[in-house]
Amino acid sequence: DVVMTQSPLSLPVTLGQPASISCRSSQSLVHSDGNTYLYWFQQRPGQSPRRLFYKVSNRDSGVPDRFSGSGSGTDFTLKISRVEAEDVGVYYCMQGTHWPPTFGQGTKVEIK
Amino acid sequence: QVQLVQSGAEVKKPGASVKVSCKASGYTFNTYGINWVRQAPGQGLEWMGWISGYNGDTNYAQKFQGRVTMTADTSTSTAYMELRSLRSDDTAVFYCARDAHADYWGQGTLVTVSS
Repeated sequence: DVVMTQSPLSLPVTLGQPASISCRSSQSLVHSDGNTYLYWFQQRPGQSPRRLFYKVSNRDSGVPDRFSGSGSGTDFTLKISRVEAEDVGVYYCMQGTHWPPTFGQGTKVEIK
Repeated sequence: QVQLVQSGAEVKKPGASVKVSCKASGYTFNTYGINWVRQAPGQGLEWMGWISGYNGDTNYAQKFQGRVTMTADTSTSTAYMELRSLRSDDTAVFYCARDAHADYWGQGTLVTVSS
């Protein structure tokens, strides 16, 4: 199985400051069809996961533009330009290129 | 709007089985598959398997092979996940999510396994 490694696992951030989460895969996530099936999810406390990005950098409807996704191959990044209180939660990357789909361990974002 | 509504919380004894449902609405059920994802208390997300809403084909994570069965009823737009031979470490919230791209998620079903 493809191993997804996130860092850091805990990310205390000051309100209004940027935040960045790294996700690395043990194999390239470029599919034979040319797409890269890397997703980002947000899980707020007590809630279900919510998808933020699909295929690396495509923002889902309703996701604020302070969030951005980037990367290629085996290295991916989720950035928040200015953290707001509602961004507190755990963020997961997931790959869907190789079967079975696998998640990163999660990064907990909290306010300092 | 797309919605996935799951069945309510369950309490089971070790060795028992549980069957969780996921009723879909707001889209044509047989054009998307359903994934099932497990989340143990305080832990991360773990993919369990997938079922096609079109023809019922399934693909299970090796970890759950032989212990899980996923089914789909197109007449009611409902997917089901049955987990057998429950152990205490199966205590978790189980989520359904639409298709391989997991764009919509159910609210989760807490299954507690305790003697």
